[in-house]
Amino acid sequence: QQQVKQSPQSLIVQKGGISIINCAYENTAFDYFPWYQQFPGKGPALLIAIRPDVSEKKEGRFTISFNKSAKQFSLHIMDSQPGDSATYFCAASRGTDKLIFGTGTRLQVFP
Amino acid sequence: NAGVTQTPKFRVLKTGQSMTLLCAQDMNHEYMYWYRQDPGMGLRLIHYSVGEGTTAKGEVPDGYNVSRLKKQNFLLGLESAAPSQTSVYFCASRNGYEQYFGPGTRLTVT
Repeated sequence: QQQVKQSPQSLIVQKGGISIINCAYENTAFDYFPWYQQFPGKGPALLIAIRPDVSEKKEGRFTISFNKSAKQFSLHIMDSQPGDSATYFCAASRGTDKLIFGTGTRLQVFP
Repeated sequence: NAGVTQTPKFRVLKTGQSMTLLCAQDMNHEYMYWYRQDPGMGLRLIHYSVGEGTTAKGEVPDGYNVSRLKKQNFLLGLESAAPSQTSVYFCASRNGYEQYFGPGTRLTVT
């Protein structure tokens, strides 16, 4: 019940395309859903996060879509750029309890 | 404001040797965490602390010990390193919901 399942494991997108990464969770007590971005040789950095009281949150080209009934949430990167090439992790937590991370998606954006 | 820092950045150990990884944060955060990152495995929680003087086990605690004697520091120890502990180690601290990671320590055990 503590798992967060992330897919796909890797994703190749052309410049200007839309990148979509999906996550599913089981614990209905989770109420915080962040996405982290990690560049090679660096630590993960918080990209965007959502609480379950809204179905969508947008920050620039990055959007989280949240489906509470399906227990799923996804990250959409619009107009993907080569500079977006990184590993993306979804996560979930109940309040300020420890974050449970997905296994990561390696995104490659080709020009 | 340096955020979360980790020392050292790289280390090579021989099997059976011991070492301590240091994590420091200057954001006055209560919660601190140690993770390991391995290819295809994501971020796995080793140990964590919810305040000075407290520690708790995470998902993969075996072979590691931790101490949080000061609020700003969280130490991760390997008493007898094994090749299976070859990994990249990340420290993180948390304020409310937002969690911040350090730059990582790449450890190789031969």
